[in-house]
Amino acid sequence: DIQITQSPSAVSASVGDRVTITCRASHGISNYVAWFQQKPGKVPERLIYAASSLQTGVPSRFSGSGSGTEFTLTISSLQPEDFATYYCLQHSGYPWTFGQGTKVGIK
Amino acid sequence: QVQLQQSGPGLVKPSETLSLTCTVSGDSVTSPTSYWSWIRQPPGSTLEWIGFIYYSGSTNHNRSLKSQVTMSVDASKNQFSLKVNSVTSADTAVYYCARGTNAAGPFDSWGQGILVTVSS
Repeated sequence: DIQITQSPSAVSASVGDRVTITCRASHGISNYVAWFQQKPGKVPERLIYAASSLQTGVPSRFSGSGSGTEFTLTISSLQPEDFATYYCLQHSGYPWTFGQGTKVGIK
Repeated sequence: QVQLQQSGPGLVKPSETLSLTCTVSGDSVTSPTSYWSWIRQPPGSTLEWIGFIYYSGSTNHNRSLKSQVTMSVDASKNQFSLKVNSVTSADTAVYYCARGTNAAGPFDSWGQGILVTVSS
């Protein structure tokens, strides 16, 4: 199975800050990575697919990069509505696996 | 716009079968380029992929659930379904259905989620 290590598990940031979240895969997974945002009690929403493609309707302050084994989600200027938990997903090898999540909180 | 509406009981007894249905609008479950997935999230935990099914019948599911899982598609109702048999308390979770597409990958649209509690 492909192991996914997501870091950090939590980050405190202020509005306007740049935030970077990383997922590392135990094997090369090309660009088979997606990123999701989940607010408390809500349904996850996809932000990024194919490692770097922005989901329609998602603000351009969100971006994804990476290939192979290391991937990043960047929020260029954190907004109040971005405080949430973020998950990466690898869908290269079975079983598909999510990262453990990164909670972005208010500093 | 694709919408997925989930239905099913919120309480299941141990050793019984959990059954959930997801009704699709804005897409067809018979589309050869869409696949229909289930994901679950135990309280306070990350998300866990359960499996997916194409209308063709092609499926793949998480081996961690061993032989507990059955997925099916009903074209006449534009629905797909999940059954998890012999449930235990470890199967308590919010269950989501979601769509994936060959062009843009998994989980671009989600159902509203149902908390299923396994308890006697």
